[in-house]
Amino acid sequence: SAVISQKPSRDICQRGTSLTIQCQVDSQVTMMFWYRQQPGQSLTLIATANQGSEATYESGFVIDKFPISRPNLTFSTLTVSNMSPEDSSIYLCSVDFEDNVRYTFGSGTRLTVV
Amino acid sequence: AQSVTQPDIHITVSEGASLELRCNYSYGATPYLFWYVQSPGQGLQLLLKYFSGDTLVQGIKGFEAEFKRSQSSFNLRKPSVHWSDAAEYFCAVANGNNDMRFGAGTRLTVKP
Repeated sequence: SAVISQKPSRDICQRGTSLTIQCQVDSQVTMMFWYRQQPGQSLTLIATANQGSEATYESGFVIDKFPISRPNLTFSTLTVSNMSPEDSSIYLCSVDFEDNVRYTFGSGTRLTVV
Repeated sequence: AQSVTQPDIHITVSEGASLELRCNYSYGATPYLFWYVQSPGQGLQLLLKYFSGDTLVQGIKGFEAEFKRSQSSFNLRKPSVHWSDAAEYFCAVANGNNDMRFGAGTRLTVKP
């Protein structure tokens, strides 16, 4: 399976600022996915990112709040914009692999907004 | 739409005792099934997965899971729990169209 590196692993940010999270994969993948895990909760899909096209967002998530870039087949970024304490979560990226099924995750970015 | 249910929010077992974590899914075809473990503040680590073939799947850290189509279940088991197994466990189901759903998770506490 693919090896996924996420940076930063954690950060503490002031409200109103933005944080960009990077996801690097060791092989070319068609689709990359971004998830949010709020404290004590399960994972929620934010968006799907294809190379060369705009990301597709799930209900409740918008591009202005969570802009995503996908410049090539091994890299993606997720920005959490104009942060508030409610954005404090673990953010994870994942990739499609083997039968179009994603099951490999990055180690996550633990974000705390103060 | 597919869905996953983990009936137990929290389970406590004694160290050395056996463990079974339940997972039930709803899906019209044969799903892809997964179990993940997550330590506090960390990412997800894949314990095992089922795509096809033998319905008893062996994973890492001594875990195994059995796919039972008739019961729509994919329960996770371990014969002897170690204190380091204390964590959150997530069951997930996926199809071949990039749709993946997670259960709410089961928190495992291990008593000395």
